[in-house]
Amino acid sequence: NAGVTQTPKFQVLKTGQSMTLQCAQDMNHNSMYWYRQDPGMGLRLIYYSASEGTTDKGEVPNGYNVSRLNKREFSLRLESAAPSQTSVYFCASCAQTGGTEAFFGQGTRLTVV
Amino acid sequence: QKEVEQNSGPLSVPEGAIASLNCTYSDRVSQSFFWYRQYSGKSPELIMSIYSNGDKEDGRFTAQLNKASQYVSLLIRDSQPSDSATYLCAFSQGTYKYIFGTGTRLKVLA
Repeated sequence: NAGVTQTPKFQVLKTGQSMTLQCAQDMNHNSMYWYRQDPGMGLRLIYYSASEGTTDKGEVPNGYNVSRLNKREFSLRLESAAPSQTSVYFCASCAQTGGTEAFFGQGTRLTVV
Repeated sequence: QKEVEQNSGPLSVPEGAIASLNCTYSDRVSQSFFWYRQYSGKSPELIMSIYSNGDKEDGRFTAQLNKASQYVSLLIRDSQPSDSATYLCAFSQGTYKYIFGTGTRLKVLA
């Protein structure tokens, strides 16, 4: 029972490089989310996808783009990485938009140097 | 005012004691509330969800919700060293958004 799977687990980027974080869920959930977690800041929503075919900005979308590839997969892209994007990134999913429990992937620890 | 307030801790309790974790929130229309446990270097793991006023028990865990006072709490009975972690309070806002607190670090002393 994989649940929510994120790749990669760790990544080091140089300033200006690009990369895509992958997320897939096998729970047939409609909604998917990308969060970042920084010390003392809690979990902050970057983007979300309420259902397949839709995406919307969260609290901190600048510098990121997303793609809901299909119902299972939701990717996060950093076009030009900056040191301020050093963080731990979590993907999450829930059965319906809001109101029900969200389940998290194992996280991606990203360092931008 | 922050949307979710939690004491960052650490909250230290002896093994076998009751740990009490509290959370206040600002959104009066929120209907769904959650407690997550996060071990260091790991992802948040759902412990409890609560949707109506009162208590909800699951094993050693009890969630308490008081919408009038806008607080939710988590009690952990017979605390174990393995309960040492950061506990995140969260609520759903509107149709899509989950708001998380910054978490309370719990240390259970053997």
